[in-house]
Amino acid sequence: GESVGLHLPTLSVQEGDNSIINCAYSNSASDYFIWYKQESGKGPQFIIDIRSNMDKRQGQRVTVLLNKTVKHLSLQIAATQPGDSAVYFCAESQGGSEKLVFGKGTKLTVNP
Amino acid sequence: DTEVTQTPKHLVMGMTNKKSLKCEQHMGHRAMYWYKQKAKKPPELMFVYSYEKLSINESVPSRFSPECPNSSLLNLHLHALQPEDSALYLCASSQTSYSNQPQHFGDGTRLSIL
Repeated sequence: GESVGLHLPTLSVQEGDNSIINCAYSNSASDYFIWYKQESGKGPQFIIDIRSNMDKRQGQRVTVLLNKTVKHLSLQIAATQPGDSAVYFCAESQGGSEKLVFGKGTKLTVNP
Repeated sequence: DTEVTQTPKHLVMGMTNKKSLKCEQHMGHRAMYWYKQKAKKPPELMFVYSYEKLSINESVPSRFSPECPNSSLLNLHLHALQPEDSALYLCASSQTSYSNQPQHFGDGTRLSIL
C-alpha cells in the first residue's frame, strides 16, 4: 500500500481564511517531503519542500510543518484565495531512492 | 506555463494504433520520469531515466515503451493499448534522480483508448 496518505479528501474554506491540509506518512526512513498543487487540466505544480532535518519551512503564503515523531506533514495556506482551489498532494521519498510516492490528495475549495 | 513541455495535449487512439508521447525540458535536468494518473487519483510512477539510462521500470506492460534520445527529450511509445490505459500521462524532470530533489511536471497528455 501507499506509505503516504491524507486525513481528509476534501476541504472547503472561505476566501481570506487560513487553510490547513494534512498528510500522514508511515515510512520513518522518508527524509524528503514535497507539496504539489494540481489544478484541473494541469500537471502537479511544485509548491514547497522540506527535508527531515527541518521542522518548518515557509514560502510565500505557505508554510510546511513536519512532525517526525508522529509522522505528520501539513501545509498551511494563509489568506486563502479562489486561485488556491485545487487538489493538493503530499509526496515523500526515502533516502537515496529515485522514487517519489504520492499521497491520495485533498481537494481544496475556496468559497467567495 | 511549465518548463516541461508535453505533446500532444490530447490523444485519441484505437487499440491497434501506434503512437508516441513526447516530453521536453531545457532546465539541464538529468533525470526524467513518466507517470500515469487516473481521474481523482495521485500520479503513479511508470519509468525513471537517469543520465539517459533507464533506471526504474515499475513493472509496466510492454505495450508502453520509453525512450530517452538525449538529456532533454523523453518519449513514450504506445502500441496495442487497452481501454484501461486511458489516463493522463505526465512527464517530470529533476536535477538528478537522487533524493531531496523536487520533480517538475508538465501538463500531461490526456490519452483516450477507443
